[in-house]
Amino acid sequence: DVKVTQSSRYLVKRTGEKVFLECVQDMDHENMFWYRQDPGLGLRLIYFSYDVKMKEKGDIPEGYSVSREKKERFSLILESASTNQTSMYLCASMEWGQETQYFGPGTRLLVL
Amino acid sequence: AQSVTQLDSHVSVSEGTPVLLRCNYSSSYSPSLFWYVQHPNKGLQLLLKYTSAATLVKGINGFEAEFKKSETSFHLTKPSAHMSDAAEYFCVVRGGSQGNLIFGKGTKLSVKP
Repeated sequence: DVKVTQSSRYLVKRTGEKVFLECVQDMDHENMFWYRQDPGLGLRLIYFSYDVKMKEKGDIPEGYSVSREKKERFSLILESASTNQTSMYLCASMEWGQETQYFGPGTRLLVL
Repeated sequence: AQSVTQLDSHVSVSEGTPVLLRCNYSSSYSPSLFWYVQHPNKGLQLLLKYTSAATLVKGINGFEAEFKKSETSFHLTKPSAHMSDAAEYFCVVRGGSQGNLIFGKGTKLSVKP
């Protein structure tokens, strides 16, 4: 079974703090994704990566950056957290050439 | 451009009655369509997917969906709801410049005893 883990289930940070969200997958998947999920808006793609050190902007990249130094790990970085970044963050991975994404349990981030 | 519209934000059914969650899609070519489910405090799980093979797709937990090109629909159904089906369901189309997934806004399914 594919396993995607996220470093924290819940996180509380203050405005202006730098925040790191970590995601690890154990299936050697090339593609990894970060989404945010907000009520009534579904999931929106922030960034994705199709290889180590590669990254592509999704639909809402503003205020975020990512890092992929190793194939199994994809980090989402909030350089200076703001209250409008309070959300549920979901990581996913996918094998190259396939269509099914496998999701982690999510990190619920509250920015005060 | 590809998109999906989930027609109901909330559906409530009684246990043992049929479930219908509606989804319309927009695509300039033959789409790949998916339904994902999210149970409370859990990650998303793939229920089923359509990738231009059979138009009636069977998924896990007794769910199925029918691809209807003439109606641009991909509705999710189940003959008999169970309490454990209470969750949020997302209709998804593969699209975008990189072939990424595009999610609908979700339908929350409640099941009454």
